[in-house]
Amino acid sequence: DVKVTQSSRYLVKRTGEKVFLECVQDMDHENMFWYRQDPGLGLRLIYFSYDVKMKEKGDIPEGYSVSREKKERFSLILESASTNQTSMYLCASTGLARTDTQYFGPGTRLTVL
Amino acid sequence: QKEVEQDPGPLSVPEGAIVSLNCTYSNSAFQYFMWYRQYSRKGPELLMYTYSSGNKEDGRFTAQVDKSSKYISLFIRDSQPSDSATYLCATRRAGNNRKLIWGLGTSLAVNP
Repeated sequence: DVKVTQSSRYLVKRTGEKVFLECVQDMDHENMFWYRQDPGLGLRLIYFSYDVKMKEKGDIPEGYSVSREKKERFSLILESASTNQTSMYLCASTGLARTDTQYFGPGTRLTVL
Repeated sequence: QKEVEQDPGPLSVPEGAIVSLNCTYSNSAFQYFMWYRQYSRKGPELLMYTYSSGNKEDGRFTAQVDKSSKYISLFIRDSQPSDSATYLCATRRAGNNRKLIWGLGTSLAVNP
């Protein structure tokens, strides 16, 4: 079974803090994704990575950056957290076989005060 | 217009009912179609995956794709309270780009 783990289930930070969210997958997947999910707005793609050290902006990259130094690990960084970044953050990974699709971690509920 | 449209509901049905969940999409380049289920405060989990027109069945779940009308459906037979969740449809193009285009999700409550 694919396993995608995220570093925290719940996180509370203060405005202006630097926040790191980590995601690890154990299936040797090439692609990894960071989403945020908000009521009424659905899943929105922040960034994705299709290889080590490679990244592409998703639909809402402003205020976020990412790092992928190793194939299994994909980090999301909030350089200076703001209250409008309070959200559920979901990491996903997928391989390149035709039948591969995205497998998700449990999510991190981030609250910025 | 969003590339994938999905009625957010909420949908409330009695236990044992047949549930029909639907999405429409706008781009004929989309070739692969997925349904995910998401329980409250959890990550989405893959329920059904199909890449051709027609029906695919897995237990009480049937995924249906009609590429000519760009319409995808998920049917749940003999619905159970444990089916109460949000159901998200997703699609992608052929090729190595694994980005998914998502519907907003439909919230389903199955009442005992």
